[in-house]
Amino acid sequence: DVKVTQSSRYLVKRTGEKVFLECVQDMDHENMFWYRQDPGLGLRLIYFSYDVKMKEKGDIPEGYSVSREKKERFSLILESASTNQTSMYLCASSPSSGGFGEKLFFGSGTQLSVL
Amino acid sequence: AQSVTQPDIHITVSEGASLELRCNYSYGATPYLFWYVQSPGQGLQLLLKYFSGDTLVQGIKGFEAEFKRSQSSFNLRKPSVHWSDAAEYFCAVRRSGTSYGKLTFGQGTILTVHP
Repeated sequence: DVKVTQSSRYLVKRTGEKVFLECVQDMDHENMFWYRQDPGLGLRLIYFSYDVKMKEKGDIPEGYSVSREKKERFSLILESASTNQTSMYLCASSPSSGGFGEKLFFGSGTQLSVL
Repeated sequence: AQSVTQPDIHITVSEGASLELRCNYSYGATPYLFWYVQSPGQGLQLLLKYFSGDTLVQGIKGFEAEFKRSQSSFNLRKPSVHWSDAAEYFCAVRRSGTSYGKLTFGQGTILTVHP
């Protein structure tokens, strides 16, 4: 069974802390994504990566960075956490091509609370 | 910039009733269109997608959606709702020429099903 695994389901951090959210996929997908989900706003793309060490900003990259050292792992980094980064974070992966087979595979999410 | 609008934040239906969830997009050309569902405590799952061809597409769990170019809409329908359909539903679009999986999501519609 294909899987996207996020290391933590719930996380509580303090303002100013450096926070790492980890995501691992076992499908050998080229593309990986970090979305943020907030009530009434839907999902918004923070960053995505289309290959190892390659990344591209999404719609709301401010305050975040990412790292992809290995194909299966994509990390989201909050350099200095702030209360407005309290949110549900969703990791996803997809193949880079395949015609009509396009599909995002999502992890279960990490609910981050910044106090 | 492209956008996706789901006008209904919350819909309540009785079990066995029909369902229609609305989705409108703003984009000059025909985008790639998707519906995802998020059941409580779970990651998002693809219901169906439209790329081209027949404007009525069938998905999993008995759902279908119809693309109407003249109305810039991609509404999701189900003829008879089951209690297990209670979830949050997201419409999403991808512009042609952008990377696989780089989606813009709507705000989401929460579906409540009464017995």
